[in-house]
Amino acid sequence: GQQVMQIPQYQHVQEGEDFTTYCNSSTTLSNIQWYKQRPGGHPVFLIQLVKSGEVKKQKRLTFQFGEAKKNSSLHITATQTTDVGTYFCAVSSYNTDKLIFGTGTRLQVFP
Amino acid sequence: EPEVTQTPSHQVTQMGQEVILRCVPISNHLYFYWYRQILGQKVEFLVSFYNNEISEKSEIFDDQFSVERPDGSNFTLKIRSTKLEDSAMYFCASSEVSKSTDTQYFGPGTRLTVL
Repeated sequence: GQQVMQIPQYQHVQEGEDFTTYCNSSTTLSNIQWYKQRPGGHPVFLIQLVKSGEVKKQKRLTFQFGEAKKNSSLHITATQTTDVGTYFCAVSSYNTDKLIFGTGTRLQVFP
Repeated sequence: EPEVTQTPSHQVTQMGQEVILRCVPISNHLYFYWYRQILGQKVEFLVSFYNNEISEKSEIFDDQFSVERPDGSNFTLKIRSTKLEDSAMYFCASSEVSKSTDTQYFGPGTRLTVL
């Protein structure tokens, strides 16, 4: 079945440092979504990327979809303590309802 | 802003007992989903539901699981005879349409503990 891997598994940063998580799929994707899950919380939708090579920004967050539509990245500039949580990419293929979540990257930010 | 709601927030049960987890999807959404997340692990798809029938299900969703939309607002997940390994966070989600490009909105989850 389809596999979605994220690296790194954990990242500890000092507040103000940048952070990047990478998502890699074994197959070509129709789209990719990113979710954030705070400790003890539920996945919250952040953004969706559809086009090859697409780049989207949300304030300090930059999302990129690879040219081959098999990988994606999320970059946070100047992390804040409010960025703490686990970031999951989620993918779906054509003709399917389900989201397949990546393994997640847990971000810890130290003040 | 409309939200997906779930009850109860925490359910403790004995192994072998039946549990029903309840969800109220966003009112104008037509597609409903259950996912689970074992502690510290990724979110896993269980089942999708549309037009009063299962649309897609995963290998996890075996005969012990069933879903139902008993009325116009609730969406339930039943586990007939719980096992220790069913202990997890169960998330309900809904979406307006079921295209691979549609956003799924997640509820706050029900933590199921099987003793």
